[in-house]
Amino acid sequence: EAGVTQFPSHSVIEKGQTVTLRCDPISGHDNLYWYRRVMGKEIKFLLHFVKESKQDESGMPNNRFLAERTGGTYSTLKVQPAELEDSGVYFCASSQRVGEYGNTIYFGEGSWLTVV
Amino acid sequence: AQTVTQSQPEMSVQEAETVTLSCTYDTSESNYYLFWYKQPPSRQMILVIRQEAYKQQNATENRFSVNFQKAAKSFSLKISDSQLGDTAMYFCAFMPLGGSEKLVFGKGTKLTVNP
Repeated sequence: EAGVTQFPSHSVIEKGQTVTLRCDPISGHDNLYWYRRVMGKEIKFLLHFVKESKQDESGMPNNRFLAERTGGTYSTLKVQPAELEDSGVYFCASSQRVGEYGNTIYFGEGSWLTVV
Repeated sequence: AQTVTQSQPEMSVQEAETVTLSCTYDTSESNYYLFWYKQPPSRQMILVIRQEAYKQQNATENRFSVNFQKAAKSFSLKISDSQLGDTAMYFCAFMPLGGSEKLVFGKGTKLTVNP
């Protein structure tokens, strides 16, 4: 069974440019999450999709970040325009059914973003 | 606000020895889950062990066990018979029940197992 896959694994962009990160969750997983780790700090929650709907986007830092989940399958996280403080590792994660708290949450390898 | 603190940024241990990673958390919730995740270099973060707060018995998974002290809000991870493959970043995480299932992480502990 394929795990959570993320693309690209590494990205270096200039300040002001746009970057789109993609996440393919494990097939059949309704829950999809985005997290971010800025160097030296905690991994922080960004948002949570249940199928195609945004369940909780309380962690999105500002309106330069836009997340979508087409048809409840893969998700994209777009940063436009990117700023230096957006550099970090962006993790995607997924879990199975809604309402079953404590489901194992499976993480991808992360997308490393460097804004220069 | 819920917070998770890992006070050891880096640790090292000799192969075959035992090491304990510390984690404390702060919450007003009474029902929650606690997790230890492991991320080896350039690889996916994987779940090591999980503890339900309502269970008094400490969780165990092979060489990994936890010491869960609910009153003290402490959740340490013990790795017995350390192996080179245990070298990784270890993250302690908290999830309150009844919310959106979002994890609150600590900053992580970088563990190196030396041959």
